[in-house]
Amino acid sequence: EDQVTQSPEALRLQEGESSSLNCSYTVSGLRGLFWYRQDPGKGPEFLFTLYSAGEEKEKERLKATLTKKESFLHITAPKPEDSATYLCAVRAIKAAGNKLTFGGGTRVLVKP
Amino acid sequence: DVKVTQSSRYLVKRTGEKVFLECVQDMDHENMFWYRQDPGLGLRLIYFSYDVKMKEKGDIPEGYSVSREKKERFSLILESASTNQTSMYLCAFSRQGVTEAFFGQGTRLTVV
Repeated sequence: EDQVTQSPEALRLQEGESSSLNCSYTVSGLRGLFWYRQDPGKGPEFLFTLYSAGEEKEKERLKATLTKKESFLHITAPKPEDSATYLCAVRAIKAAGNKLTFGGGTRVLVKP
Repeated sequence: DVKVTQSSRYLVKRTGEKVFLECVQDMDHENMFWYRQDPGLGLRLIYFSYDVKMKEKGDIPEGYSVSREKKERFSLILESASTNQTSMYLCAFSRQGVTEAFFGQGTRLTVV
């Protein structure tokens, strides 16, 4: 069974204090790993797709990396507007209908 | 911009009512999904569909059914709503292959 575990569950940062979120996964053949951002009361917003170990993607203050067992989302010099829940999801090679398996998310609060 | 539209943002229904949640996508994508999201439990897949009139059970299908008569529209049906179905319901779609899923804004359903 595919599993995704995110840590920490919650993260409080001062503005400008860089940090990393972890996403550990167990999947029977990875087709893709996805990062989403979710604001309260809204649907998840797509950020990145990573396909293979060693791959990196960047968008503004966010950088996602991938190894064979985990992915990291690095937040560099965060601003209050980066406050959100960050979700990680995987798609297995044999996933029927391209279904995603999600982790529980990391709630990030950036204080000014 | 890709667009997924869910029929309602907020909905209040009585126990025992039949409830329809609708989702429409404008990108002609094959795969559509219904998730529910609850605090501490994350996103859980209820049903998905990879073609018109095709449907597959997700991880928690009990108490739900779905309908996909047209490619762009995927409906979630609560046959007889119960209080434990109070939740945030999220619709998503994706193309075949290793691609990201796009989410709607969610429907907050309260069953009283």
